[in-house]
Amino acid sequence: DTAVSQTPKYLVTQMGNDKSIKCEQNLGHDTMYWYKQDSKKFLKIMFSYNNKELIINETVPNRFSPKSPDKAHLNLHINSLELGDSAVYFCASSQVVSGPGTDTQYFGPGTRLTVL
Amino acid sequence: AQSVTQLGSHVSVSEGALVLLRCNYSSSVPPYLFWYVQYPNQGLQLLLKYTTGATLVKGINGFEAEFKKSETSFHLTKPSAHMSDAAEYFCAVTKSGGSYIPTFGRGTSLIVHP
Repeated sequence: DTAVSQTPKYLVTQMGNDKSIKCEQNLGHDTMYWYKQDSKKFLKIMFSYNNKELIINETVPNRFSPKSPDKAHLNLHINSLELGDSAVYFCASSQVVSGPGTDTQYFGPGTRLTVL
Repeated sequence: AQSVTQLGSHVSVSEGALVLLRCNYSSSVPPYLFWYVQYPNQGLQLLLKYTTGATLVKGINGFEAEFKKSETSFHLTKPSAHMSDAAEYFCAVTKSGGSYIPTFGRGTSLIVHP
């Protein structure tokens, strides 16, 4: 019974292509995120959505476009892929219970994107 | 802005030895602090967190961490390492600097030798 799932797990593509990564959570959380983890394991937030509304966009190129059709799904579309986009992309979700900032992040298994 | 520093990108211990992973934060207000673990080819999962109350926090798998305001630290410890503890460990901070989105440290890879 997977809490946060992502598809695909691996994505290999050529420069210039457009690709999408899908994320779904069955935890009933209000907030979802996309993170990028580079080859040195550095984890950086890209976007955050709360109840389908974008609340955080951390200086990500506009080639990256998140879409949230409902609060259980947050997809990531990437246009014109570049070599530097190669990374592992993690989806996560959380729910504030005890106050802002106290919520635990629940991560998906990641999507390893390789741009050739 | 909030920030987290994890000293040592790699820590190597023998099985049964003490594990100590260091985390220091910078903040003008008391932050909320987290430790997450990432096993190979998996997403991160929460080990423990400090928000308020007791400064010594116990987590899963025998790990614990102590919030020390005077030292701006939140070091992670485990008395006796197991082979299964080999993973990447991330310290994270929220609330500091007015941001409620976590800022992660660069991670520490724990290597456990038989």
